[in-house]
Amino acid sequence: DAKTTQPPSMDCAEGRAANLPCNHSTISGNEYVYWYRQIHSQGPQYIIHGLKNNETNEMASLIITEDRKSSTLILPHATLRDTAVYYCIVRPWEGGKLIFGQGTELSVKP
Amino acid sequence: DAGVTQSPTHLIKTRGQQVTLRCSPKSGHDTVSWYQQALGQGPQFIFQYYEEEERQRGNFPDRFSGHQFPNYSSELNVNALLLGDSALYLCAQWEGSNQPQHFGDGTRLSIL
Repeated sequence: DAKTTQPPSMDCAEGRAANLPCNHSTISGNEYVYWYRQIHSQGPQYIIHGLKNNETNEMASLIITEDRKSSTLILPHATLRDTAVYYCIVRPWEGGKLIFGQGTELSVKP
Repeated sequence: DAGVTQSPTHLIKTRGQQVTLRCSPKSGHDTVSWYQQALGQGPQFIFQYYEEEERQRGNFPDRFSGHQFPNYSSELNVNALLLGDSALYLCAQWEGSNQPQHFGDGTRLSIL
């Protein structure tokens, strides 16, 4: 079973920040938080990952709480092309298997 | 994701038949995993190959088997196809450690 809990759906206005929450209260010390997204009919696309520090790349920012029990993916200026299912996954650094939950279906609206 | 190529993109089979799906690597990625994604669900892990051996396996029957070649490319074989095997089959390649896995766009398999 997935070790994460995400809201099933969210809406966001185009140009605004999209904040996608994820709960991973049973995360272990050696587990990273990964975010992927899947646009219809495509394979999952890697977005960002982190262990305990906040991370930022050209796509998004990842904020992990100090106790590591939850995190938030931030898309700073959402566009219509960001409409997708977003998956939050925890995985040990040495483990290859990704366990996907149901994800959050983000709809960016004009 | 860029560089991970899967073939074919679509395939139609009938019950009882056998199918082989293929995955070509992104340069330098020596570990490959296969996932099955039913409509409306998240991907489910089938198995992982490294150094041409199966290293991890998910909760899938023996009808699902795989192979990895010396150039890191991989095949997924499914025997005695069932209607329930209709799904998107995804290949992901991985450099190891805490690096992310990168997915291809999958093969859409339909069983009639």
